[in-house]
Amino acid sequence: DGGITQSPKYLFRKEGQNVTLSCEQNLNHDAMYWYRQDPGQGLRLIYYSQIVNDFQKGDIAEGYSVSREKKESFPLTVTSAQKNPTAFYLCASGVPSGMGETQYFGPGTRLLVL
Amino acid sequence: RKEVEQDPGPFNVPEGATVAFNCTYSNSASQSFFWYRQDCRKEPKLLMSVYSSGNEDGRFTAQLNRASQYISLLIRDSKLSDSATYLCVVLGSNTGKLIFGQGTTLQVKP
Repeated sequence: DGGITQSPKYLFRKEGQNVTLSCEQNLNHDAMYWYRQDPGQGLRLIYYSQIVNDFQKGDIAEGYSVSREKKESFPLTVTSAQKNPTAFYLCASGVPSGMGETQYFGPGTRLLVL
Repeated sequence: RKEVEQDPGPFNVPEGATVAFNCTYSNSASQSFFWYRQDCRKEPKLLMSVYSSGNEDGRFTAQLNRASQYISLLIRDSKLSDSATYLCVVLGSNTGKLIFGQGTTLQVKP
């Protein structure tokens, strides 16, 4: 099956701990994205990558880090510097289309702070 | 002012009703527009792109009004399975990145 997978589905973080969220895609898409969704709010862009070994900060990058060593993988690390990490984290990959780009989402990871 | 604004609802309608959602955007240079559907505690899924001339997909019709900078989604003959949150999404002309509205929640009742 082609698609985007995220793991784990739920993740618990202790104070001061770094945690890493996995995102893998086998759609052969160059572009990948990380978003954060809080209740009653739209998705906000954390980081994005248009090509392997390159990535850019989005609107709310503070307290997060990413890597893009392989086309298929775009892991997100939530560091201890992120003071309010509880949220629904969504990874997406994008493909050029007549509308500019169409993005497809993974199933998401819910991060909770203990 | 938010770049993309939606009435959060909820819209509560009976089965078979016709319901319409509007979404306004602030950047007049925006070129691409989308509606995504998001079920409770799930990821957003692309429902339809919005073309300048308007487009229809079964019971769903999307319209774009550039002069007034709004996008609409019309759902005819609502089904229980249409209950979800509908996200209005605009491709930022300056950034090339998607900008999401907060979503409009629809509840279709039997």
